[in-house]
Order: sequence, then C-alpha cells, then structure tokens
Amino acid sequence: RKEVEQDPGPFNVPEGATVAFNCTYSNSASQSFFWYRQDCRKEPKLLMSVYSSGNEDGRFTAQLNRASQYISLLIRDSKLSDSATYLCVVNGYNKLIFGAGTRLAVHP
Amino acid sequence: GAVVSQHPSWVICKSGTSVKIECRSLDFQATTMFWYRQFPKQSLMLMATSNEGSKATYEQGVEKDKFLINHASLTLSTLTVTSAHPEDSSFYICSASLTGGGRGGYTFGSGTRLTVV
Repeated sequence: RKEVEQDPGPFNVPEGATVAFNCTYSNSASQSFFWYRQDCRKEPKLLMSVYSSGNEDGRFTAQLNRASQYISLLIRDSKLSDSATYLCVVNGYNKLIFGAGTRLAVHP
Repeated sequence: GAVVSQHPSWVICKSGTSVKIECRSLDFQATTMFWYRQFPKQSLMLMATSNEGSKATYEQGVEKDKFLINHASLTLSTLTVTSAHPEDSSFYICSASLTGGGRGGYTFGSGTRLTVV
C-alpha cells in the first residue's frame, strides 16, 4: 500500500464547477499535511496547509480527518488557471511523502 | 521569504560523465535540505536528506556512491550524479524549510531537468 494515495484523475471540469480531491495516508503518526500544486514541468508550490479544524483560502477549502486518515481539497468556482496537478503531501518523521497527484483540467 | 534557488535548470550530458546540481537557500539558513527525483507522470520521490556538516541520509534503493550529496554550508547543498546513464534522466528538485517543515511547509527549488544521452 502506498503511503499517500490519491485518485490520479484527470478531472475534466468546466469553468465555474466545484471539484473535490481526496487523499488517504497510511502513517497514523504523520504530523502535518499539505496540498501542493504542480504545473507541468515546474516545481511544486505550496497551496495550503491542512488542519483538522479545516482551512479555507478563497475558493479553496482543505480538511483533515485524522481518525479516517483522510485529507480533502475542495475548489469552488474553478478557473482555467486552476488547471494543474494537485499533490497531497504528508509530513512524517520530518520528511515529506508525496501522493502521485491528481490532474485537474478546467475547460471553457 | 524562504526562497530556494536551484541551478542549473536544465542540463544535457553524455553517458559516463558527472553532473553537479546546486541548491541554495537565499534568505534563510537551512540545516536540512531534501533532494527529490521525479520521472514523467510520477510523483516526487525523496532521494536523500542533506544535513549540514554531516553525512546525508539516503532513502532505500538510492545509491549513495552514485548520488553524492554535500552540504558544506547552511545555505548550499549539492547533488552530484556520477557516471550518469540515460536512466538517470529525470527532474531533480531540492527543498528546504525555514520553519522545519511544520505549518509552513517546504519551499522547493525550480528543479533541474537532466537528460543523459
């Protein structure tokens, strides 16, 4: 079993749609959680941290369920510029473990 | 803040040669840096953790004699791919964290695309 699992997608959605990504992790001792965004042939960039209390940043909402070892990312009112790969990332034992990423393609 | 600079951004080399990649923390000191490799359509895989002033910690399956890591100062870590082969062609990325990776996450260099011909 992979340490961090994500649905690879791709998710093809129209502009304005709401899309949700899910992620599960296997190490219950993991300490911190993130969503990163990676554009094609570029480095990952931090989108947001994820907390049990939930975290909202504009159109983006992230949620962590420690009991289920489940992380989610919700994107509302999708924009063309949201097209990218979204990486679920878990920090355990002071190193980052990456999911394989979920590709999102937003079309007009 | 927390900018990580990586150089070169791309390199093409011949089989058998060595390639050095530099990773610098520009506005902070990083006692620990991380080196990742990413093959097309795959996720980032941690290769090694670079510790300033001490030996790097390599992940299982990563050859330490092939991927030499030197972290001689608090702002510079280097990865040298020795005797490169075409299968080493990949996207190599370094990262570091100002806050130790807690709620601030990690900052990544812009990556180095290595092509071995």
